[in-house]
Amino acid sequence: GPKVLQIPSHQIIDMGQMVTLNCDPVSNHLYFYWYKQILGQQMEFLVNFYNGKVMEKSKLFKDQFSVERPDGSYFTLKIQPTALEDSAVYFCATGTINERLFFGHGTKLSVL
Amino acid sequence: QQKVQQSPESLIVPEGGMASLNCTSSDRNVDYFWWYRQHSGKSPKMLMSIFSNGEKEEGRFTVHLNKASLHTSLHIRDSQPSDSALYLCAASDTNTGKLTFGDGTVLTVKP
Repeated sequence: GPKVLQIPSHQIIDMGQMVTLNCDPVSNHLYFYWYKQILGQQMEFLVNFYNGKVMEKSKLFKDQFSVERPDGSYFTLKIQPTALEDSAVYFCATGTINERLFFGHGTKLSVL
Repeated sequence: QQKVQQSPESLIVPEGGMASLNCTSSDRNVDYFWWYRQHSGKSPKMLMSIFSNGEKEEGRFTVHLNKASLHTSLHIRDSQPSDSALYLCAASDTNTGKLTFGDGTVLTVKP
């Protein structure tokens, strides 16, 4: 079936650096989401994005976070600067309205 | 191969009826199951989690788990139109923290 690809699968960076997580969505999908999962805990919603705009964001979506999808390419999550508490697995999900979401396999971010 | 399988892919029940959703993991390392509900255009919300064999009930929602078969099911009694949503099952390995989601079941409750 349709696949959402997340690149890279694992990223290790030093605290304070910038990181960009990439999501290659299913081709006809218009809704995009990022979720954060800290080790062993539930998945938590960060943000959703539609028609070039952030539709909804949670308290976890700090000022250091930003999302974009320039020119229909990757849907990206950028964190600048990173903090230790940003270490987690970040899931991208994409979909169309009233239909199921397709999730990527996640990017594990380790901030040292 | 998908490690968390959900069935059915979609389900329609009448208002007041019982909805039953299934989920099975093929990864014998998992030891925790989660059920999420997501209304259209909204963020997913966790409904229930279970890690012990047996049954857990919260209001109209009941979750069953059979650890030997790694099968969990979610049952919604007295279904309401507001229950119409995407239901996601996830399985986690608490040793690694890895959480794997199924593809979901779209539930429609008809008034």
